[in-house]
Amino acid sequence: KNEVEQSPQNLTAQEGEFITINCSYSVGISALHWLQQHPGGGIVSLFMLSSGKKKHGRLIATINIQEKHSSLHITASHPRDSAVYICAVRMDSNYQLIWGAGTKLIIKP
Amino acid sequence: DVKVTQSSRYLVKRTGEKVFLECVQDMDHENMFWYRQDPGLGLRLIYFSYDVKMKEKGDIPEGYSVSREKKERFSLILESASTNQTSMYLCASSGGPGTDVVLETQYFGPGTRLLVL
Repeated sequence: KNEVEQSPQNLTAQEGEFITINCSYSVGISALHWLQQHPGGGIVSLFMLSSGKKKHGRLIATINIQEKHSSLHITASHPRDSAVYICAVRMDSNYQLIWGAGTKLIIKP
Repeated sequence: DVKVTQSSRYLVKRTGEKVFLECVQDMDHENMFWYRQDPGLGLRLIYFSYDVKMKEKGDIPEGYSVSREKKERFSLILESASTNQTSMYLCASSGGPGTDVVLETQYFGPGTRLLVL
């Protein structure tokens, strides 16, 4: 079993829809990252969370430490949001990140 | 803005060739990382370095070596390339002066897509 599980693996939605991507993990963590990867490979860090909720524009990330679960939400989705969204957790015992396999999001006009 | 650059966006090499992938960061970061990314597997850590001349094995170091002679540069070396090393290789850096180690962000380069024939 992977230590970081993302769901869904693939998501296709219409422009304007509210999007939720989930990340569950099974290890003790000190921080959780959400990243975005566009076609062509470039990866951008979106959020880094250790508790609670963060908001940046139309993106919202939440984390529940007790339930070992985080969600990434996109409001008023747009085709330019189409990308792979990756969850990664930093274990509380070392420097390394454990990566989820990613969620491929396609927003249709 | 942090800038992480990789020497090539695309590389085609033959089986058995020695391959060098270079990564340079310009933000005085302490830590540098090499990952490979394959469909369905996510990012897997090959090696990382937390200081000049220091290196640590990641999850899949076999078939790879690294070199960090200068703080800003981290090289990944495939001593004898094999077809199963065809992949996207991503370099990242983190941890500038005064950074909170727990909450530091990794900054990624654009990636090098390597094809080994």
